[in-house]
Amino acid sequence: AQSVTQLDSQVPVFEEAPVELRCNYSSSVSVYLFWYVQYPNQGLQLLLKYLSGSTLVKGINGFEAEFNKSQTSFHLRKPSVHISDTAEYFCAVSENSGAGSYQLTFGKGTKLSVIP
Amino acid sequence: DTEVTQTPKHLVMGMTNKKSLKCEQHMGHRAMYWYKQKAKKPPELMFVYSYEKLSINESVPSRFSPECPNSSLLNLHLHALQPEDSALYLCASSQDEAGKDTQYFGPGTRLTVL
Repeated sequence: AQSVTQLDSQVPVFEEAPVELRCNYSSSVSVYLFWYVQYPNQGLQLLLKYLSGSTLVKGINGFEAEFNKSQTSFHLRKPSVHISDTAEYFCAVSENSGAGSYQLTFGKGTKLSVIP
Repeated sequence: DTEVTQTPKHLVMGMTNKKSLKCEQHMGHRAMYWYKQKAKKPPELMFVYSYEKLSINESVPSRFSPECPNSSLLNLHLHALQPEDSALYLCASSQDEAGKDTQYFGPGTRLTVL
């Protein structure tokens, strides 16, 4: 079974500063990687995903992530954060659970708090 | 339209009640999911339906009973729940059950069991 580790449970950052949210995964096979965001009292929304090809993936709201196979990492970055980016961020890996079925395994989440 | 709708938004029930959660999508997706999310935790997969057939049941207690009446609808029937079942219940859908597909989530039903 695969696992996802989000190294920081909380990340406070000042408005307009850059931010990096870290994610590492364990896998010996090809993986599909995702970042989802959850705003308070809402469901999850996809920010971006890596399937194959270019290791730098651009997503919505100015976020991007870099897939690093040698370090088994998929860190999320934004060069300048806004108050509206305050939310919970989940890294996830898509895992083959057998017979062609896939399921998402989520990390524990990182709470991003943007300080005015 | 990339919307997944869930009703009700909030539900309070006693341990002897029977209730149902509903989920609907009109994106033509053939895979639908139920997740349970406790406070400050990631979503935990409960069930997966693929082409209206149950394909994954993550050892969920029988007091939770899923139903997929058609390709657009997913229900979760609740009976004799325990207070520890209080959580946010999220529904999601994807084009297929392939690993590459994006899952689209509804806003959830916040369930409180008294």
